[in-house]
Amino acid sequence: NAGVTQTPKFQVLKTGQSMTLQCAQDMNHNSMYWYRQDPGMGLRLIYYSASEGTTDKGEVPNGYNVSRLNKREFSLRLESAAPSQTSVYFCASSEVVRTEAFFGQGTRLTVV
Amino acid sequence: RKEVEQDPGPFNVPEGATVAFNCTYSNSASQSFFWYRQDCRKEPKLLMSVYSSGNEDGRFTAQLNRASQYISLLIRDSKLSDSATYLCVVSGGGGSYIPTFGRGTSLIVHP
Repeated sequence: NAGVTQTPKFQVLKTGQSMTLQCAQDMNHNSMYWYRQDPGMGLRLIYYSASEGTTDKGEVPNGYNVSRLNKREFSLRLESAAPSQTSVYFCASSEVVRTEAFFGQGTRLTVV
Repeated sequence: RKEVEQDPGPFNVPEGATVAFNCTYSNSASQSFFWYRQDCRKEPKLLMSVYSSGNEDGRFTAQLNRASQYISLLIRDSKLSDSATYLCVVSGGGGSYIPTFGRGTSLIVHP
C-alpha cells in the first residue's frame, strides 16, 4: 500500500541544470498536484492536473513544466534550475479536487 | 490577502492542556475544509475533515463557522506526540476546487 511515491528524495543541482521529479500514485485518483514548501511560506501550488489529460498552472508555475503521463503519474520538470527553486517539493493526489489530498514523502532539492 | 490565514504560533503548552487554533478563509463560496498535521521534515497528513455541523475524533474537535468564514481545531488533553504543525486547508468555490493551504500553526507540547 504505497499511496503516493516520489523520486528522488534528495537532489542537489547546479544552477542551469535540468531535472525531472517523478510522482506516481496507486489509489486510482483523478487529481494530482505539485506543491513547494518554503520556510514561512507554507505549501504553494505549482501545477495541478484535475484529471488525466489536463494540466493547469497554480500559484507559482514560473520555471516549471509538468506532464500527466497517465492516470498514475505526474512529473515536474525544472528546465534550468535556479537557487530560488531550492525547496521541498510535494506531490499529492486526490479522488477529485474537492476531496482530501494524500501526499508523497517529498523531494528536498537544493540548487547551488 | 492570503486566501487562508493562520496564526503561525508557536503555541507552547504543557501536557494535558487544551489548545485551540483558528483559521480564516477569504472565499465565501468554499466548500471543503480540512485540518492536516505535518511533523518536522515529513509530508502533511490528513488529521480530519471539517463538517458544517462540527465533528469530533477522540481528543480533537473541528468546527466550521461559515458566517464568519473560519474553522477551528480544539485539542484536549494535549500529549507530547501532538507536537507538530497544523495546516488548515480550504477548497471549492467559484469553480475552483484546488486545495489551498494555510501556512500552518506550530504546536509544542512540553512535559
